[in-house]
Amino acid sequence: ILNVEQSPQSLHVQEGDSTNFTCSFPSSNFYALHWYRWETAKSPEALFVMTLNGDEKKKGRISATLNTKEGYSYLYIKGSQPEDSATYLCAFPTGYSSASKIIFGSGTRLSIRP
Amino acid sequence: EAGVVQSPRYKIIEKKQPVAFWCNPISGHNTLYWYRQNLGQGPELLIRYENEEAVDDSQLPKDRFSAERLKGVDSTLKIQPAELGDSAVYLCASSSSGHNEQFFGPGTRLTVL
Repeated sequence: ILNVEQSPQSLHVQEGDSTNFTCSFPSSNFYALHWYRWETAKSPEALFVMTLNGDEKKKGRISATLNTKEGYSYLYIKGSQPEDSATYLCAFPTGYSSASKIIFGSGTRLSIRP
Repeated sequence: EAGVVQSPRYKIIEKKQPVAFWCNPISGHNTLYWYRQNLGQGPELLIRYENEEAVDDSQLPKDRFSAERLKGVDSTLKIQPAELGDSAVYLCASSSSGHNEQFFGPGTRLTVL
């Protein structure tokens, strides 16, 4: 059974502080890793698609790294702002095509305190 | 370009009542997915369509759940009768054939009383 785990389950951070959280996935048969941000009452929004070991991607104050050999990805948020409050999901496709099953982590719920 | 549209956004029903959710995927996306997300868990696939064909419904509880995508565009997911344990967020997603990146709708939050 393939398992994707995210930690911590929830996080409370002071505005302006930086934070990070983890997604762990099976290190064999790696195709890609997706990060989504899901704000309350909105659609999950794709943040990054990570494909290569050692990848580092950045979008504004948010960045992600990937280690496929050990099976983890980190998401970093620098200088947290209230609008960063959301649930961050990682997703692990089991193949390249749309027919491939995607296994989701349970998410990290991030709350930013003003 | 319009994203994935779902309705209703919220639904509260009593147990044993029927309920239906509607999804319109991104134009041109052949693959459509229905997921259920229980509180504190990640989304879990219920059914996947390639055009009008349900190609993976292994996780759909067929005694009470049904789905259709008659013309290969929009889709409806139905529960009849609903049970207390069906309370969850029902997400619809779509993707282009051959690509594993999925685009999600805002979901329908179902509460069964």
